[in-house]
Amino acid sequence: EVQLVESGGGLVKPGGSLRLSCVASGFTFSTYSINWVRQAPGKGLEWVSSISGRSSYIYYADSLKGRFTISRDNAKNSLYLQMNSLRAEDTAVYFCARDRRECDSDSCSSYFYMDVWGKGTTVTVSS
Amino acid sequence: SYELTQPPSVSVSPGQTARITCSGDALTKKYAHWYQQKSGQAPVLVIYEDRTRPSGIPERFSGSSSGTVATLTISGAQVEDEADYYCFSTDSSGTQRMFGGGSKLTVL
Repeated sequence: EVQLVESGGGLVKPGGSLRLSCVASGFTFSTYSINWVRQAPGKGLEWVSSISGRSSYIYYADSLKGRFTISRDNAKNSLYLQMNSLRAEDTAVYFCARDRRECDSDSCSSYFYMDVWGKGTTVTVSS
Repeated sequence: SYELTQPPSVSVSPGQTARITCSGDALTKKYAHWYQQKSGQAPVLVIYEDRTRPSGIPERFSGSSSGTVATLTISGAQVEDEADYYCFSTDSSGTQRMFGGGSKLTVL
Protein backbone atom coordinates (compact mmCIF):
# COMPACT_ATOMS: atom_id res chain seq x y z
CA GLU A 1 0.00 0.00 0.00
CA VAL A 2 1.27 3.45 -0.92
CA GLN A 3 1.56 5.44 2.29
CA LEU A 4 2.98 8.66 3.71
CA VAL A 5 3.18 9.12 7.47
CA GLU A 6 4.11 12.44 9.03
CA SER A 7 5.52 12.94 12.51
CA GLY A 8 7.36 15.49 14.60
CA GLY A 9 4.57 17.94 15.29
CA GLY A 10 3.97 19.40 18.70
CA LEU A 11 3.85 22.53 20.82
CA VAL A 12 6.70 25.01 20.39
CA LYS A 13 7.22 28.54 21.64
CA PRO A 14 7.41 31.51 19.28
CA GLY A 15 10.92 31.83 17.92
CA GLY A 16 11.58 28.13 18.40
CA SER A 17 12.40 25.39 15.91
CA LEU A 18 10.86 22.08 14.93
CA ARG A 19 11.74 19.35 12.46
CA LEU A 20 8.96 17.43 10.77
CA SER A 21 9.43 14.03 9.16
CA CYS A 22 7.48 12.09 6.56
CA VAL A 23 8.17 8.40 5.99
CA ALA A 24 7.10 6.82 2.72
CA SER A 25 6.27 3.22 1.92
CA GLY A 26 4.81 1.22 -0.94
CA PHE A 27 6.58 3.04 -3.78
CA THR A 28 10.07 3.92 -5.00
CA PHE A 29 10.52 7.03 -2.92
CA SER A 30 13.68 8.28 -4.64
CA THR A 31 11.92 8.72 -7.99
CA TYR A 32 9.14 11.01 -6.74
CA SER A 33 9.00 14.69 -5.95
CA ILE A 34 7.39 15.32 -2.57
CA ASN A 35 5.70 18.38 -1.13
CA TRP A 36 4.79 19.91 2.21
CA VAL A 37 1.35 21.49 2.42
CA ARG A 38 -0.10 23.09 5.53
CA GLN A 39 -3.53 24.08 6.78
CA ALA A 40 -4.06 26.55 9.60
CA PRO A 41 -7.06 25.91 11.87
CA GLY A 42 -10.26 26.71 9.99
CA LYS A 43 -8.31 27.94 6.97
CA GLY A 44 -7.50 26.71 3.49
CA LEU A 45 -4.64 24.66 2.13
CA GLU A 46 -1.28 26.35 1.60
CA TRP A 47 1.55 24.86 -0.44
CA VAL A 48 4.81 25.18 1.50
CA SER A 49 7.62 23.53 -0.45
CA SER A 50 8.57 20.81 -2.92
CA ILE A 51 11.71 18.77 -3.52
CA SER A 52 12.55 16.59 -6.51
CA GLY A 53 13.60 12.96 -6.22
CA ARG A 54 17.33 13.65 -6.14
CA SER A 55 16.96 17.01 -4.39
CA SER A 56 18.04 18.79 -7.58
CA TYR A 57 15.03 21.08 -7.57
CA ILE A 58 13.78 22.70 -4.40
CA TYR A 59 11.06 25.33 -4.27
CA TYR A 60 9.43 27.26 -1.45
CA ALA A 61 6.38 29.43 -1.18
CA ASP A 62 7.60 33.02 -1.45
CA SER A 63 6.08 33.84 1.95
CA LEU A 64 8.22 31.22 3.71
CA LYS A 65 11.64 31.53 2.16
CA GLY A 66 14.46 31.73 4.64
CA ARG A 67 12.73 30.16 7.65
CA PHE A 68 11.88 26.68 6.39
CA THR A 69 14.21 24.11 4.80
CA ILE A 70 13.04 21.00 2.99
CA SER A 71 15.30 17.97 2.62
CA ARG A 72 15.13 14.24 2.06
CA ASP A 73 17.06 11.05 2.75
CA ASN A 74 16.24 8.53 0.05
CA ALA A 75 18.10 5.76 1.87
CA LYS A 76 15.58 6.16 4.70
CA ASN A 77 12.56 6.87 2.48
CA SER A 78 12.16 10.06 4.46
CA LEU A 79 11.29 13.69 3.85
CA TYR A 80 11.98 16.48 6.32
CA LEU A 81 10.94 20.05 7.01
CA GLN A 82 13.16 22.08 9.30
CA MET A 83 11.20 25.04 10.61
CA ASN A 84 13.00 27.89 12.37
CA SER A 85 11.92 31.21 13.89
CA LEU A 86 8.43 29.86 14.27
CA ARG A 87 5.50 32.25 14.61
CA ALA A 88 1.94 31.87 15.82
CA GLU A 89 0.78 31.98 12.20
CA ASP A 90 2.77 28.80 11.48
CA THR A 91 0.28 26.89 13.62
CA ALA A 92 -1.23 24.34 11.26
CA VAL A 93 -1.60 20.73 10.24
CA TYR A 94 1.34 19.89 8.00
CA PHE A 95 0.79 17.31 5.27
CA CYS A 96 3.35 15.64 3.04
CA ALA A 97 2.07 14.79 -0.43
CA ARG A 98 3.58 12.98 -3.40
CA ASP A 99 3.64 14.36 -6.93
CA ARG A 100 1.99 12.13 -9.47
CA ARG A 101 4.32 10.15 -11.71
CA GLU A 102 3.43 7.76 -14.52
CA CYS A 103 5.61 5.32 -16.40
CA ASP A 104 5.08 3.34 -19.57
CA SER A 105 7.39 0.87 -21.23
CA ASP A 106 9.68 3.61 -22.53
CA SER A 107 9.81 6.41 -20.02
CA CYS A 108 8.35 8.11 -16.98
CA SER A 109 6.67 11.49 -16.65
CA SER A 110 6.38 13.56 -13.49
CA TYR A 111 3.54 15.96 -12.90
CA PHE A 112 3.21 19.07 -10.78
CA TYR A 113 0.28 18.06 -8.64
CA MET A 114 -0.17 15.69 -5.73
CA ASP A 115 -1.88 12.33 -5.86
CA VAL A 116 -1.07 10.75 -2.48
CA TRP A 117 -1.26 12.51 0.87
CA GLY A 118 -0.40 11.66 4.43
CA LYS A 119 -2.79 12.30 7.30
CA GLY A 120 -0.79 15.22 8.63
CA THR A 121 0.97 16.25 11.84
CA THR A 122 -0.10 19.19 13.98
CA VAL A 123 2.22 22.06 14.84
CA THR A 124 1.16 24.57 17.48
CA VAL A 125 3.22 27.69 18.07
CA SER A 126 2.23 29.29 21.34
CA SER A 127 3.79 30.65 24.51
CA SER B 1 1.89 37.45 -6.17
CA TYR B 2 -0.19 35.00 -8.18
CA GLU B 3 -3.59 34.01 -6.83
CA LEU B 4 -6.40 31.61 -7.58
CA THR B 5 -9.86 32.89 -6.67
CA GLN B 6 -12.78 30.67 -5.69
CA PRO B 7 -16.22 31.49 -4.29
CA PRO B 8 -16.25 30.83 -0.52
CA SER B 9 -19.42 28.78 -0.66
CA VAL B 10 -21.73 26.96 -3.05
CA SER B 11 -25.05 25.47 -2.04
CA VAL B 12 -27.29 23.07 -3.98
CA SER B 13 -30.10 20.62 -3.27
CA PRO B 14 -29.46 16.89 -3.65
CA GLY B 15 -29.59 15.88 -7.31
CA GLN B 16 -28.82 19.36 -8.59
CA THR B 17 -25.66 20.38 -10.43
CA ALA B 18 -23.00 22.18 -8.44
CA ARG B 19 -20.43 24.32 -10.20
CA ILE B 20 -17.34 25.69 -8.49
CA THR B 21 -15.15 28.15 -10.34
CA CYS B 22 -11.48 29.00 -10.01
CA SER B 23 -10.01 32.05 -11.68
CA GLY B 24 -6.40 32.97 -12.24
CA ASP B 25 -4.35 34.57 -15.01
CA ALA B 26 -1.94 31.63 -15.37
CA LEU B 27 -4.80 29.22 -16.04
CA THR B 28 -4.58 30.21 -19.69
CA LYS B 29 -1.28 28.31 -19.79
CA LYS B 30 -1.33 26.05 -16.73
CA TYR B 31 -3.60 23.20 -15.77
CA ALA B 32 -6.05 23.38 -12.90
CA HIS B 33 -6.41 20.45 -10.54
CA TRP B 34 -9.14 19.94 -7.94
CA TYR B 35 -9.08 18.47 -4.45
CA GLN B 36 -11.93 17.45 -2.17
CA GLN B 37 -11.37 17.70 1.55
CA LYS B 38 -13.87 16.41 4.06
CA SER B 39 -13.73 17.54 7.66
CA GLY B 40 -10.69 16.25 9.51
CA GLN B 41 -9.34 14.35 6.51
CA ALA B 42 -6.52 14.75 4.02
CA PRO B 43 -7.38 16.15 0.59
CA VAL B 44 -8.31 13.79 -2.23
CA LEU B 45 -7.59 14.51 -5.91
CA VAL B 46 -10.88 14.50 -7.84
CA ILE B 47 -9.86 16.13 -11.15
CA TYR B 48 -6.42 16.63 -12.67
CA GLU B 49 -5.22 18.50 -15.74
CA ASP B 50 -8.43 20.48 -16.05
CA ARG B 51 -10.76 17.61 -16.89
CA THR B 52 -9.38 14.14 -16.12
CA ARG B 53 -10.94 12.08 -13.37
CA PRO B 54 -8.67 9.72 -11.36
CA SER B 55 -9.76 6.13 -11.04
CA GLY B 56 -12.24 5.64 -8.24
CA ILE B 57 -13.75 9.11 -8.51
CA PRO B 58 -17.46 9.02 -9.41
CA GLU B 59 -18.46 10.03 -12.93
CA ARG B 60 -20.59 12.87 -11.59
CA PHE B 61 -17.35 14.82 -11.06
CA SER B 62 -16.09 16.63 -14.15
CA GLY B 63 -13.87 19.57 -14.97
CA SER B 64 -13.42 22.15 -17.66
CA SER B 65 -11.34 25.23 -18.33
CA SER B 66 -11.71 28.24 -20.57
CA GLY B 67 -9.43 31.24 -20.57
CA THR B 68 -8.66 32.26 -17.03
CA VAL B 69 -11.44 30.21 -15.40
CA ALA B 70 -11.51 26.54 -14.49
CA THR B 71 -14.73 24.91 -13.34
CA LEU B 72 -15.44 21.82 -11.26
CA THR B 73 -18.89 20.42 -11.95
CA ILE B 74 -20.69 17.88 -9.79
CA SER B 75 -23.69 16.60 -11.71
CA GLY B 76 -26.41 15.25 -9.46
CA ALA B 77 -24.66 16.26 -6.24
CA GLN B 78 -25.16 13.94 -3.30
CA VAL B 79 -25.11 14.60 0.42
CA GLU B 80 -21.78 12.76 0.69
CA ASP B 81 -20.24 15.34 -1.68
CA GLU B 82 -20.45 17.97 1.04
CA ALA B 83 -16.85 19.07 1.52
CA ASP B 84 -14.37 21.83 0.87
CA TYR B 85 -13.06 21.94 -2.68
CA TYR B 86 -9.74 23.49 -3.65
CA CYS B 87 -8.33 24.27 -7.06
CA PHE B 88 -4.56 23.99 -7.45
CA SER B 89 -2.12 25.17 -10.06
CA THR B 90 1.24 26.77 -10.62
CA ASP B 91 2.33 30.23 -11.64
CA SER B 92 3.64 30.90 -15.13
CA SER B 93 7.22 30.05 -14.13
CA GLY B 94 6.14 26.70 -12.69
CA THR B 95 8.13 27.24 -9.51
CA GLN B 96 5.34 28.51 -7.30
CA ARG B 97 2.38 26.29 -6.60
CA MET B 98 -0.80 27.52 -5.05
CA PHE B 99 -4.26 26.57 -3.93
CA GLY B 100 -7.37 28.58 -4.34
CA GLY B 101 -8.98 29.78 -1.15
CA GLY B 102 -11.39 26.87 -1.14
CA SER B 103 -15.14 26.57 -1.66
CA LYS B 104 -17.43 24.95 0.88
CA LEU B 105 -20.07 22.87 -0.89
CA THR B 106 -23.31 22.38 0.99
CA VAL B 107 -25.79 19.81 -0.32
CA LEU B 108 -29.15 19.99 1.45
